[in-house]
Parts: sequence; structure tokens; C-alpha cells
Amino acid sequence: ETGVTQSPTHLIKTRGQQVTLRCSSQSGHNTVSWYQQALGQGPQFIFQYYREEENGRGNFPPRFSGLQFPNYSSELNVNALELDDSALYLCASSLNRDPDTGELFFGEGSRLTVL
Amino acid sequence: GDSVTQMEGPVTLSEEAFLTINCTYTATGYPSLFWYVQYPGEGLQLLLKATKADDKGSNKGFEATYRKETTSFHLEKGSVQVSDSAVYFCALSVGGYNKLIFGAGTRLAVHP
Repeated sequence: ETGVTQSPTHLIKTRGQQVTLRCSSQSGHNTVSWYQQALGQGPQFIFQYYREEENGRGNFPPRFSGLQFPNYSSELNVNALELDDSALYLCASSLNRDPDTGELFFGEGSRLTVL
Repeated sequence: GDSVTQMEGPVTLSEEAFLTINCTYTATGYPSLFWYVQYPGEGLQLLLKATKADDKGSNKGFEATYRKETTSFHLEKGSVQVSDSAVYFCALSVGGYNKLIFGAGTRLAVHP
């Protein structure tokens, strides 16, 4: 139990639709990162939010966007869904931005299927 | 670019066997190295880490040594248990913020 909760746990969308995934971080954590994990692969970094601002981004197109709220919870939004967006989306929270000192705590993920 | 390569699974062992899961990396700069574990039905958890060359990370009987000369961070355990059955991910970070680059994962199955 990491204290990071994600919703929904599973969802199915059709190509072209939009989706919003939510993450509640562990109490006191001010940094949230999002990862995409395709089947049989390791997680890939999407972006990170620190105190409500985007603070680093991986190789994902602009249709992947996010928000972090004053209570440090976060949303991941994906527009114009494509079949390849089908994956497990992981949220991770930490006390600070530096993984050398700030351990990442992962949620169990939201599994998105795009038909 | 930066990347992590780990041995393909599944790895199937009997209880009390010795475990090695190989991990090598390519990185510009000086990465920190991590092993994460994903137990069935749970989120990823940090198992151990090492932040500089020759450091040894250890936790729950698992160990890994940061070898800069061979760009490796192999995971070892002297005697595995059924409860160690999980997927293990090797990862690195460069740049001082929480961008982790993960390997593809290695599934371990331990039988009684």
C-alpha cells in the first residue's frame, strides 16, 4: 500500500475520444510523475509536475497534457485517442523532484483500452 | 540516448535457489540506478538503489552493485522464496528529476 490512488482502474474508449485519468498522491508529496506502460514493456516517462507546474516531459505529443492541483492531486488528459494509447498509465508521487533522494511511490495504475 | 537492457524472462527457480537478473545500461553523464519490483496486483515499489559507481544497494536479501566499468547493475539474491515471485524492473535516472528510464522487466516465478 503506497498511499497513491488512481481512478478509474479500467476504462474502454474508442479512437478519437478524449480521456481523463486521476491520481491522488501520498500525503505531503508535492511532486507527481506520470508513466505509460505498454503490455510487456517497462514504464515510459510522460511528464512530471512539481507544485502545480510541469517540470519535465518525455517524448510524448502535446495531446498528452496534465494538471496538478493545490492539494497536489493530478490529472492526465489524452486527446484524440489512438489505438497505440492502449496501456497501463501509472502515477507516482514523491517528496521532491530528485529520485536520488526522493523515492517514487507508484499507484496501481489505470488500464486504458482504445478500440 | 539513455537506455536500460535487462535479461528476458520468465525466470523460473525453485525455492532457495540463487537468483541473478542481469541489467546493463547506456547513459550520458552519471546516472543513478534502481531496481523496482511489481508484485501481483500491486504498484511498483522501489527495491534498492545506488547513486554512484561501486555503491551497493541492498534490501530484503537482494543486492546490486553499480559497476561503471561494465555499465551494469545486476540484481542478486542468495536464496529466493515463493514470495519473491514478481516482475523486476531495472531503471536509471539522469538529470536530477524524477524521469526514470526503465528496462522491459523480468518476470520471476519461484516454485516450492
